[in-house]
Amino acid sequence: DVKVTQSSRYLVKRTGEKVFLECVQDMDHENMFWYRQDPGLGLRLIYFSYDVKMKEKGDIPEGYSVSREKKERFSLILESASTNQTSMYLCASRGGAEQYFGPGTRLTVT
Amino acid sequence: RKEVEQDPGPFNVPEGATVAFNCTYSNSASQSFFWYRQDCRKEPKLLMSVYSSGNEDGRFTAQLNRASQYISLLIRDSKLSDSATYLCVVNPYNFNKFYFGSGTKLNVKP
Repeated sequence: DVKVTQSSRYLVKRTGEKVFLECVQDMDHENMFWYRQDPGLGLRLIYFSYDVKMKEKGDIPEGYSVSREKKERFSLILESASTNQTSMYLCASRGGAEQYFGPGTRLTVT
Repeated sequence: RKEVEQDPGPFNVPEGATVAFNCTYSNSASQSFFWYRQDCRKEPKLLMSVYSSGNEDGRFTAQLNRASQYISLLIRDSKLSDSATYLCVVNPYNFNKFYFGSGTKLNVKP
């Protein structure tokens, strides 16, 4: 069974703080993704990575960066958190056509 | 215009009922189509892929209509455990870019 884990289920940060969200998968997948999910908007792709140190912007990359130093780990970084980044963040890895999601991190920025 | 649109519902149906959801997509070049299921406060999980000829998995039937650019999901003999949000997912051309609908909520009542 594929397992995707995320470092925190709930996180509360202050405006302007630097925030790190980490994701680890155990199936040796090359492709990993970060999404945010907001009511009425569905999941929107922030960034994806198709190999170590390789990344591409998704549809809403502004205010975010990512890091992939090891194949199993994909980190999302909020350089200076803002209240409009309050959301559910979901990491996924892809094996074949299927995406496997982590449990999500609910981030609140106050 | 959104890439993928779904009726948010909720669809409230009694146990044993048949229920159908549709989802429309805007990019006629879309290649791959999926239905994911998301339980409350959980991550999305693949329910089924949607093939051009239509496909069935137990009580679930998925169909694709390329001419009208929609996919459908039919659930027969609804169970209480089918209560969830169903996400329509479309992959236009880049196998690392998936567009998610905002989901259709189904409540199956005893």
